[in-house]
Amino acid sequence: AQSVTQPDIHITVSEGASLELRCNYSYGATPYLFWYVQSPGQGLQLLLKYFSGDTLVQGIKGFEAEFKRSQSSFNLRKPSVHWSDAAEYFCAVGALTGGGNKLTFGTGTQLKVEL
Amino acid sequence: KAGVTQTPRYLIKTRGQQVTLSCSPISGHRSVSWYQQTPGQGLQFLFEYFSETQRNKGNFPGRFSGRQFSNSRSEMNVSTLELGDSALYLCASSEEAGVRFFGPGTRLTVL
Repeated sequence: AQSVTQPDIHITVSEGASLELRCNYSYGATPYLFWYVQSPGQGLQLLLKYFSGDTLVQGIKGFEAEFKRSQSSFNLRKPSVHWSDAAEYFCAVGALTGGGNKLTFGTGTQLKVEL
Repeated sequence: KAGVTQTPRYLIKTRGQQVTLSCSPISGHRSVSWYQQTPGQGLQFLFEYFSETQRNKGNFPGRFSGRQFSNSRSEMNVSTLELGDSALYLCASSEEAGVRFFGPGTRLTVL
């Protein structure tokens, strides 16, 4: 069964500082990996995705993530955090199963940005 | 293109009632999936529909059901509501496979 672990429940960074959110996955084949962001009371917005190819993927809002198969990780990074980045971040792994697919999400990391 | 829309955005029901939530996918998307989000359990997959057929189902009781219409719009129904069904219900659409685009969700409160 597929699973996702986000070991950090809460992270606080200062505005302008760099950010790394950790994500580890368990999946039997090449995974489809995603990062989503959720602001309070809102749905999920896709930040970036990895399907295949270049292991460093760029997303929206200046985010990037690196797929490391040997470590089963897909960590999200941003070189300089803005106050508007405060939100909850979810890593997800997808699969194609029996002609369909579903996403399995991690428990999320709540990001707080100090001004 | 317009994004995924969900109606209603907020809903209050009492235990034992039933509820129907609606989701309109992005134009051209034929896959619609539903997720339940709660503080305790996080985001959990309910089911997925593609071309009016359910092709994936999560681990939820039979009180949770859904359907998809020929225009790809989807509804989910929860019968005999329980307090624990209070949650944010998210709908997501995609082409046949791959990236899911999420709607704003329906906040269901069961009293």
